[in-house]
Amino acid sequence: KQEVTQIPAALSVPEGENLVLNCSFTDSAIYNLQWFRQDPGKGLTSLLLIQSSQREQTSGRLNASLDKSSGRSTLYIAASQPGDSATYLCAVRRAYSGGGADGLTFGKGTHLIIQP
Amino acid sequence: KAGVTQTPRYLIKTRGQQVTLSCSPISGHRSVSWYQQTPGQGLQFLFEYFSETQRNKGNFPGRFSGRQFSNSRSEMNVSTLELGDSALYLCASSLETGGYNTEAFFGQGTRLTVV
Repeated sequence: KQEVTQIPAALSVPEGENLVLNCSFTDSAIYNLQWFRQDPGKGLTSLLLIQSSQREQTSGRLNASLDKSSGRSTLYIAASQPGDSATYLCAVRRAYSGGGADGLTFGKGTHLIIQP
Repeated sequence: KAGVTQTPRYLIKTRGQQVTLSCSPISGHRSVSWYQQTPGQGLQFLFEYFSETQRNKGNFPGRFSGRQFSNSRSEMNVSTLELGDSALYLCASSLETGGYNTEAFFGQGTRLTVV
């Protein structure tokens, strides 16, 4: 069974800082890993998708890395802004050995607050 | 291009009743998945449909069911509602023309409250 852990559970930093969110997963047989943000009471917004064959993806101030062999991913946010305040969720799609895939397995998220 | 649309946004039901939630995927997307989000358990996978067939199922009781129509729109049904079914139900769609490795896009969710 795939398990996804996110550390830290909560983080509060001043505006302008660079920060790193961590995600680990127990089963390295994955199709992909996806990072999302969720604002209170809202749905999920996709930030970055990393295929299992990729090492990293970048979008604007966001950079996500993937080390499949060690079961780890990091989300790097550069020059943080108050608008970045949200819960950040990591999710992996596990591959079945005989083909096919499971649904997304999510971590519990990192609740991020950027202080103005 | 319209995103994933879920209706209704909010719902209040009584214990023992049943409920049907609807999801319209992004145009052209063939895969629709459903997730339940609660404060205690976080986000949990319910089931996935692809071309009108259930492709995957999470670890939920048989009271939770779903279906997908030929236009890829999907519905999920929960029968004999329990207080613990109160949650945000999220739908996601993916293009998936050739495999399982495409990006999932989520709707705004349906907030179900069981009283």
